[in-house]
Amino acid sequence: AQRVTQPEKLLSVFKGAPVELKCNYSYSGSPELFWYVQYSRQRLQLLLRHISRESIKGFTADLNKGETSFHLKKPFAQEEDSAMYYCAVNTNAGKSTFGDGTTLTVKP
Amino acid sequence: GAGVSQSPRYKVAKRGQDVALRCDPISGHVSLFWYQQALGQGPEFLTYFQNEAQLDKSGLPSDRFFAERPEGSVSTLKIQRTQQEDSAVYLCASSSGHLNTEAFFGQGTRLTVV
Repeated sequence: AQRVTQPEKLLSVFKGAPVELKCNYSYSGSPELFWYVQYSRQRLQLLLRHISRESIKGFTADLNKGETSFHLKKPFAQEEDSAMYYCAVNTNAGKSTFGDGTTLTVKP
Repeated sequence: GAGVSQSPRYKVAKRGQDVALRCDPISGHVSLFWYQQALGQGPEFLTYFQNEAQLDKSGLPSDRFFAERPEGSVSTLKIQRTQQEDSAVYLCASSSGHLNTEAFFGQGTRLTVV
């Protein structure tokens, strides 16, 4: 069965500092990995997916199959990045297994 | 509509009461998912529909939980004889159903069983 681990419940950085949110997964098939973000009082929304190899709001994530990781990175954090971040792995049917999330706080 | 809509936003139920939670997916979306999110945890899969067919209900925690999508659009998650451990946020998501497609989430229904 698939499993997603986000080892940090809370992460706090200062504005302008680099940030890395860790995600490790276990999945027997070929994984589809996603990062979702939930800003205060808003719904869960997709931030980025590994297959797109895109950078959204300055965030990037590289799939490392050897380490089974999909860490989310941003070189210079902004206060508006403060939110809850969830890593997720999809099965072929599209259902997602989520990690327990990391609350990111960017201090001024 | 503009997005996935869930109602009610909040529900307080007495233990033993039955509840029904509604999800209006984005128009035309084939796939619909229900998740349960307990406090401090990530969403956990409950069940999945493709059109009106319930293809996966492996995440439903007990036979008190029942979901339907009779016409392939609106879905209802019903919980019978609610228990305190059912207290959670129930999230609905829909997608076009294509491979690697994005799932769009509703605001969720916060259920509190007292």
